[in-house]
Amino acid sequence: AQKVTQAQTEISVVEKEDVTLDCVYETRDTTYYLFWYKQPPSGELVFLIRRNSFDEQNEISGRYSWNFQKSTSSFNFTITASQVVDSAVYFCALSEAARSNDYKLSFGAGTTVTVRA
Amino acid sequence: EAQVTQNPRYLITVTGKKLTVTCSQNMNHEYMSWYRQDPGLGLRQIYYSMNVEVTDKGDVPEGYKVSRKEKRNFPLILESPSPNQTSLYFCASGLDRGKTQYFGPGTRLLVL
Repeated sequence: AQKVTQAQTEISVVEKEDVTLDCVYETRDTTYYLFWYKQPPSGELVFLIRRNSFDEQNEISGRYSWNFQKSTSSFNFTITASQVVDSAVYFCALSEAARSNDYKLSFGAGTTVTVRA
Repeated sequence: EAQVTQNPRYLITVTGKKLTVTCSQNMNHEYMSWYRQDPGLGLRQIYYSMNVEVTDKGDVPEGYKVSRKEKRNFPLILESPSPNQTSLYFCASGLDRGKTQYFGPGTRLLVL
């Protein structure tokens, strides 16, 4: 069963538009961690944000913000005032604390974001 | 600079020729792991290590070996590479707090 679902395959926006990426996760653990990673065209995986299951406070960090809702098992990510350099594949990921391999990341399929100038 | 490094970044080889992809981190992380990324299959864990001399299989360990003799290094060994191991490989390391993993730049492997 897919633990992390990113329903949006591709999103295309014009520069300065906001972009919201959807992520729905599935777990039976009460303690877990959710992440967003970015993979630009150069190929590396860049850590963006992490949220613990016991902290539902939503935050803003620069142009990034996230909306974590346990009630709907969603962890959405927003880029405000997008820039061309934001063009990348964005992955949502889950790690579950109760597992013996509690660092293991279950990744979603990724959402390709294209920001046009 | 805190980082995870991998070498080589690109490699073309032939079936059956043993190869090693090195991974090193300078953050004193206890946890290290290897993932492969394939179109349509996404990112999958190959092996992981909780600490020195402690390694275990991930989801797709067949055809791979690893070792963890030192805390900073976690090489991935392909004893007899096959074309189905053509992939983009990532090494990662992590701290206990928050379980965040930081990834290396990736190694693109082509097995002919």
